[in-house]
Amino acid sequence: AQSVAQPEDQVNVAEGNPLTVKCTYSVSGNPYLFWYVQYPNRGLQFLLKYITGDNLVKGSYGFEAEFNKSQTSFHLKKPSALVSDSALYFCAVISSGSARQLTFGSGTQLTVLP
Amino acid sequence: DADVTQTPRNRITKTGKRIMLECSQTKGHDRMYWYRQDPGLGLRLIYYSFDVKDINKGEISDGYSVSRQAQAKFSLSLESAIPNQTALYFCATRDTRESPYNEQFFGPGTRLTVL
Repeated sequence: AQSVAQPEDQVNVAEGNPLTVKCTYSVSGNPYLFWYVQYPNRGLQFLLKYITGDNLVKGSYGFEAEFNKSQTSFHLKKPSALVSDSALYFCAVISSGSARQLTFGSGTQLTVLP
Repeated sequence: DADVTQTPRNRITKTGKRIMLECSQTKGHDRMYWYRQDPGLGLRLIYYSFDVKDINKGEISDGYSVSRQAQAKFSLSLESAIPNQTALYFCATRDTRESPYNEQFFGPGTRLTVL
């Protein structure tokens, strides 16, 4: 079975400061990892993914994420947060050893304070 | 994503009523999915379809049924709605013809309230 944990329900950060949203995973095969963002009253939007190669993945809106196999983590980062980054963020995983369905974490509400 | 549309966007209904939520896509993707979102629980998979002839149960299929009427259409039915089916429902699509690890694209969601 595969699973994703987002240990923080809520993350608050001041505008201009770096932000990190944490994600850890558990899979039986190779992990393929995704980050999605959900703005109020909207569907989920794809931000970035790790499939293979460089452990640092760059995505939309200045976000990046670092894949760490030894720590089974895929934390989302941004060097300088914007108020407009305030949203609900979901981490998700597909395993090569599973039925190749996405499993989502419970989500982290990011609030960037002006 | 405008390429994945859901109707209705909001629906209020009563316990015991039959409800159908519809999803259409113009992306030409092979796979389609239905999820429900509840606060603090993330997204949970209800049903998914590899193609018109291939329907599969997800994590929480009890009380729901689906129909893949065409490559582009995937509907979700609640045969007899109950209050704990009150949730935000999302349709999603994914193109797995060249890679099994492509991202999913989501519709805008349907907010369903069962009284």
